[in-house]
Amino acid sequence: SQKIEQNSEALNIQEGKTATLTCNYTNYSPAYLQWYRQDPGRGPVFLLLIRENEKEKRKERLKVTFDTTLKQSLFHITASQPADSATYLCAPGAGSYQLTFGKGTKLSVIP
Amino acid sequence: SQTIHQWPATLVQPVGSPLSLECTVEGTSNPNLYWYRQAAGRGLQLLFYSVGIGQISSEVPQNLSASRPQDRQFILSSKKLLLSDSGFYLCAWSLSTDTQYFGPGTRLTVL
Repeated sequence: SQKIEQNSEALNIQEGKTATLTCNYTNYSPAYLQWYRQDPGRGPVFLLLIRENEKEKRKERLKVTFDTTLKQSLFHITASQPADSATYLCAPGAGSYQLTFGKGTKLSVIP
Repeated sequence: SQTIHQWPATLVQPVGSPLSLECTVEGTSNPNLYWYRQAAGRGLQLLFYSVGIGQISSEVPQNLSASRPQDRQFILSSKKLLLSDSGFYLCAWSLSTDTQYFGPGTRLTVL
């Protein structure tokens, strides 16, 4: 069955450092992979989508990579700030309405 | 611009009581609509999705049901709530099979 693993449930990082979150998937051949941010008590918010033919995508301080051979996506936040503290969800997709989300990694940026 | 509304924001209901959660989308036509549940410590679970009025696909067998009486209205219902129905219910919309946009959510507690 399809499985999505996000590297850890929680990640603590010092302000100003680069945070790196990992999303691994098995039994999947996604055409794209999305990252969402979820704050406590709120719905997830879309951040970035990267397609299988793209190696890397950037948006401001965010960078996403997608390695279909390793079946892995890395999500980087450079120059992290306390306001970046949230849970980050990955969601591989293949053109189906049923989008499956990972359980998320809770990032805490410590001042 | 598009907006999505959910109500109520919080709800406390006794076991065995009925449930009706409503979701409406503004600013777009013929969206795909989704209901998710997020239980404590667990990931997002897709419950239902709809690609048009009156068209409902169920992902998980349970005592919940969904209806789409209008193009931009999606309703989640139950005739008799169970304790296990407690959770954070999220409605989402999309125009394709990739990016989804989530509402603010309803926190349901069944006692």
